[in-house]
Amino acid sequence: DTGVSQNPRHKITKRGQNVTFRCDPISEHNRLYWYRQTLGQGPEFLTYFQNEAQLEKSRLLSDRFSAERPKGSFSTLEIQRTEQGDSAMYLCASSLAVGALGETQYFGPGTRLLVL
Amino acid sequence: ILNVEQSPQSLHVQEGDSTNFTCSFPSSNFYALHWYRWETAKSPEALFVMTLNGDEKKKGRISATLNTKEGYSYLYIKGSQPEDSATYLCAFEETSGSRLTFGEGTQLTVNP
Repeated sequence: DTGVSQNPRHKITKRGQNVTFRCDPISEHNRLYWYRQTLGQGPEFLTYFQNEAQLEKSRLLSDRFSAERPKGSFSTLEIQRTEQGDSAMYLCASSLAVGALGETQYFGPGTRLLVL
Repeated sequence: ILNVEQSPQSLHVQEGDSTNFTCSFPSSNFYALHWYRWETAKSPEALFVMTLNGDEKKKGRISATLNTKEGYSYLYIKGSQPEDSATYLCAFEETSGSRLTFGEGTQLTVNP
């Protein structure tokens, strides 16, 4: 297993277009997280799944954002009608929740989005 | 809104120097404190997960301490090397399995 993978690594789009990113977590990890990082800031939480259930969404996740994890494995994050303010690095992480304290979240390399 | 702060924002040191960074976080509702190292064009790499007050963890030349009562953690790097150059992020976890709240990071540059 090579860790969390994300595709594409880079995406340039025009304002108003829809984009979709994919995240493949580490096998057997039951939790999957999406974060967004803008220049000079730390990553900010967007949403997370336990298996296929979306358990929490940040207020940052506007109506234009939707995330799915249909079979409890890979996940997609779609942004509709992109705006220039959506330009950021979108990070995915996964973890194995077994009830222990402080499970490590393992991150992918991110998808860098630029909206022109 | 949780406030996680890191200092300094950036740091330039010479190879061989030892250095340390600070992460401050809310002292209430603490669950865990995470440290990550993030090199450009790579995935953030998990360094430590710390859960108990007084915890000290070590990984090679890097170590970390935790004080949950006063809400701070220190990360130490002994004998810095150029390959230690990266952004070091801390993240506060309030409840198990939920969101991490990150600081803005400390950008370390180690000059040969």
